[in-house]
Amino acid sequence: QQQVKQSPQSLIVQKGGISIINCAYENTAFDYFPWYQQFPGKGPALLIAIRPDVSEKKEGRFTISFNKSAKQFSLHIMDSQPGDSATYFCAASTYNNNDMRFGAGTRLTVKP
Amino acid sequence: EAGVAQSPRYKIIEKRQSVAFWCNPISGHATLYWYQQILGQGPKLLIQFQNNGVVDDSQLPKDRFSAERLKGVDSTLKIQPAKLEDSAVYLCASSPVGSVSTQYFGPGTRLTVL
Repeated sequence: QQQVKQSPQSLIVQKGGISIINCAYENTAFDYFPWYQQFPGKGPALLIAIRPDVSEKKEGRFTISFNKSAKQFSLHIMDSQPGDSATYFCAASTYNNNDMRFGAGTRLTVKP
Repeated sequence: EAGVAQSPRYKIIEKRQSVAFWCNPISGHATLYWYQQILGQGPKLLIQFQNNGVVDDSQLPKDRFSAERLKGVDSTLKIQPAKLEDSAVYLCASSPVGSVSTQYFGPGTRLTVL
């Protein structure tokens, strides 16, 4: 029943590098695409989100790129820091229905 | 502002036993969600409440899972009887009226079924 596919499963990046995580969705009714960050023992926390009327959204070091025709979106973390080490989930939902579907997650490790 | 509260944080039970989890959402949040997160996977929505009414329970295994939100505030999720495959973290989330897509998650309850 997976409707959002996320890759890679795990990612190791050097401090200061760029982390890139990709997601693809199937349901064209989805129109809200958030990214969540989860630390061990904690619940997911909203990091950044985008709607399909824009192709890119940037908040600090975090950028979402969105390709509606390809049904793909990605998270870029610039100048990655050890404190960014966490599991990242992409998700998709319809804005009003809010039936959120999550990707399987990417475990990011940023090495000092 | 206090976050979403959940209890207990950890629970270990034998298969076929019953278990209940409690969630108190952020004050004023009308929408409440229960998710199941199996190790290594993303959260899966089990049930969504708007105030004390069910909006979506299509992925809730209703033969063994039940949930209620009687006064439109806190909520209880119950499993009876538990199976080995129910071992997971159960997450509660809430969202405010007018911003239904911004969900705030609690820390979760880690359930181990032996």
